[in-house]
Amino acid sequence: KAGVTQTPRYLIKTRGQQVTLSCSPISGHRSVSWYQQTPGQGLQFLFEYFSETQRNKGNFPGRFSGRQFSNSRSEMNVSTLELGDSALYLCASSPGTGREPQHFGDGTRLSIL
Amino acid sequence: SQQGEEDPQALSIQEGENATMNCSYKTSINNLQWYRQNSGRGLVHLILIRSNEREKHSGRLRVTLDTSKKSSSLLITASRAADTASYFCATESGGGADGLTFGKGTHLIIQP
Repeated sequence: KAGVTQTPRYLIKTRGQQVTLSCSPISGHRSVSWYQQTPGQGLQFLFEYFSETQRNKGNFPGRFSGRQFSNSRSEMNVSTLELGDSALYLCASSPGTGREPQHFGDGTRLSIL
Repeated sequence: SQQGEEDPQALSIQEGENATMNCSYKTSINNLQWYRQNSGRGLVHLILIRSNEREKHSGRLRVTLDTSKKSSSLLITASRAADTASYFCATESGGGADGLTFGKGTHLIIQP
C-alpha cells in the first residue's frame, strides 16, 4: 500500500506570494491533518479534515487554509507569504477521526525569500 | 503550544547501549504516542500508550506512562546506528480539538 504522498517536496517562494501544497493520504484513510515544523516552534498543528469537512483548526492566522476532496486528497494554501512561513509542512493521514496512529508524508520544504 | 517536553534535548551513546528519553506533559491525556523522524523525512509512528496503560513493549522499544507525574519514557535497547534520529512524544487530549501536540524532541545519535 502506498504511503502518504506530499507534493512538491521543495518549494521556493517570495514574500507576498501564495502557495498550494498537496497531500494524498493512504488509500482508505479519510482523515488528513497538517502540521508545520520549524526549528523554533517545533511541530504545530494546523488543521484536520475528515470527509471533506474541517474538523479541527490550530492557532494559525487566516492566511492558512485547506480543503479536502471527495477522494480524501487534501490541499493547504498559504496566502501573502511571510518569511516566518518558511518551514517543513507535514501531512498525516489516519483511517478515521481518531489520531492513533497517524501516518506522515515526507513533507514539503517551503522556503520564503 | 507545546504540551510535551522531551528530555534530554540531545543524547549520544555507543552502539549496543540502551537509550532512554523522557517526556513530560501538562494536561490530562487520552493517549501518548512516540514518533521517530530521520533527517529531512516525515515522522514514523513507533508506539501508542493509552492513559489507562502503564507499560508497553514493541520489539526493542519499551514505553512507560505515569499519569500521576504526567510523564512518559521511551527506552530503546541494544541501540543500532540506524536508530540515529529525532524522537518526539505526542499527546492527544480531550476531544482532540488541538490535534496531536508534540514536544520539541530528543535528538539521538548512535556512535558506531
